[in-house]
Amino acid sequence: EVQLVESGGGLVQPGGSLRLSCAASGFTFSNYWMSWVRQAPGKGLEWVANIKKDGNEKNYVDSVRGRFTISRDNAESSLCLQMNTLRAEDTAVYYCVGAGYWGQGTLVTVSS
Amino acid sequence: DIQMTQSPSSLSASVGDRVTITCRASQGIRNDLEWFQQKPGKAPKRLIYAASTLQSGVPSRFSGSGSGTEFTLTISSLQPEDFATYYCLQHNSYPWTFGQGTKVEIK
Repeated sequence: EVQLVESGGGLVQPGGSLRLSCAASGFTFSNYWMSWVRQAPGKGLEWVANIKKDGNEKNYVDSVRGRFTISRDNAESSLCLQMNTLRAEDTAVYYCVGAGYWGQGTLVTVSS
Repeated sequence: DIQMTQSPSSLSASVGDRVTITCRASQGIRNDLEWFQQKPGKAPKRLIYAASTLQSGVPSRFSGSGSGTEFTLTISSLQPEDFATYYCLQHNSYPWTFGQGTKVEIK
């Protein structure tokens, strides 16, 4: 059974940092590109970033480029999103996505 | 950026109805399109990939079609568990972009 389990969300002040993690199981993690997708409260879905199978290519939506960094560890079947200089508009549920599956999401709230 | 325009934004339908949702891309995306279903408080679930390929385990009443700029998701006979919000996603070029969603409600 494929499982994607996110962790690391929480309440952070504007300008702060947070690191999200995603533990993958049930499929060959290193064979798939992986993505982060977010959903602000009551809003639609927004693709945030993705990373190639070997980690050598990364892509970002403009609104997070330079502030967020996606990374992966194929040996550990894990995906991360380092989020710096957080803004109120980054408040959302963040989903780990890959191999056609989604995690349950982790809520990030940016507020003073 | 490629804009994905979904229509309608919402619809009311009855169990057994045939439902069609359309997604239009602002430029050609070949068949690089996926459809997702999301129920309240839950993560999205992929229904269709490559515009028309049914995800394993998804009921055959769901189907997708289209290529280029116009795509459709059809539910041939709406079931109670299908009331949800549906999204399309283009992954032809960066940034990947979603449609704004179509909420399917009970009439």
